[in-house]
Formats: sequence, C-alpha cells, structure tokens
Amino acid sequence: NAGVTQTPKFQVLKTGQSMTLQCAQDMNHEYMSWYRQDPGMGLRLIHYSVGAGITDQGEVPNGYNVSRSTTEDFPLRLLSAAPSQTSVYFCASREIQGAPTHTGELFFGEGSRLTVL
Amino acid sequence: SQQGEEDPQALSIQEGENATMNCSYKTSINNLQWYRQNSGRGLVHLILIRSNEREKHSGRLRVTLDTSKKSSSLLITASRAADTASYFCATPPGGAGSYQLTFGKGTKLSVIP
Repeated sequence: NAGVTQTPKFQVLKTGQSMTLQCAQDMNHEYMSWYRQDPGMGLRLIHYSVGAGITDQGEVPNGYNVSRSTTEDFPLRLLSAAPSQTSVYFCASREIQGAPTHTGELFFGEGSRLTVL
Repeated sequence: SQQGEEDPQALSIQEGENATMNCSYKTSINNLQWYRQNSGRGLVHLILIRSNEREKHSGRLRVTLDTSKKSSSLLITASRAADTASYFCATPPGGAGSYQLTFGKGTKLSVIP
C-alpha cells in the first residue's frame, strides 16, 4: 500500500517558469488537499477537493491551479513561479465525512521541496 | 488564519522525562487532532480527540481536551530520542461539515539521549 505519493521530491525553478507537482493516492479517498509549509508559518492550505470534478480554494490559493479528473490524482500547477513560492509542498488525503470508514485522519505524502530562483 | 497555536515553540528534555505540549484554538470544534513530523518527512497522525471526550490515551501518549478553555495538551511519557520531532495540533474550523483542517505552527521537541 503506497499511500500518498508526491513527485518530484525536489525541484528548482527560475522565476516565471511553470510546473506541476503530482500527487496520487491509492486509498480511494474522496478528499485531497495541498498544503505549503514555510518556516515559522506552519502549514497553510492551498486548495482542496472533495471528489472528482470538485475543487475549492484554501487559505493561500493565489498563483496555484488544481484540477481533479480522477479520484486518485490531484496535481498542483504553478502558473508562473515566484520566489515567494519557494516552500515545501505537502499533499494529503482522507475519507470524506460521512463515509463508513471516515476517521478524520489526514494521510500525508513525503513532500515536494521547491526552490524558485 | 491559524486556528490552533502550540506552546511552547520549542522544548528540549532528557530521555526518560515527560514532554507536555499545549494547543489553544479559537472557534468551536467537533474534534482536535495531533500530528508528528520528523525532520524532512511528511506529517503522521497520532491521535484524534472528539469534543465530547476529555482525555484519550494511545501508548505513551495522553491527550486532554478542555472545550471551555479551548485548549488541548499532548503528553508524551518516558520520552525517547526517537520522539524528537515537531508536533502539530489540527482542527477543522467551523464545526461539523467543514472539510478543511488547519494546523498550528508546531512545537519542536528535542529529546537528548
């Protein structure tokens, strides 16, 4: 059972470049989300999805796009990278509320470390 | 904005001692969770306590919840070097029906062998 898999683990971009951080989960979780973690700021929610075709903004959505075409995948797109987007990005998933196996527990990937020069 | 705030920001103890971390939150909740993050890794769920529970145990972990004070504490007993990590509390803001989970800034625990 792989859980939540994020790729790439490390990435260096130049200002203005675009890229996609990939996230895949094999637990059939309806809920998926992206967080960024910065020193002294804790984790902040970027975007989340409660199922295929449904996405919504979190606390810090500007500069990021998401889509959810399948239950398994939830990619995060940086449209035009800026140095302020240098961060560690975490994807997390869980069962949706109301599901028989819902416990509220979030399952995290190992993170994608992005540096924007 | 941060829903939960951990205190202290950093804690250093000797192996075998107990470690206590606190979390305060702002709005009503239906549950509160604690997570651990080892350096360079993702977060791992430790324990969830519901709003109608006052105390919960899991191995060497003890979590308490005081909804009247909007606070929770995580106690790690007989700490080990392997407990060195950052610990975060997390709550779903807005009560039931909220899918989002907001995290505090964490307490960095160092257990000295």
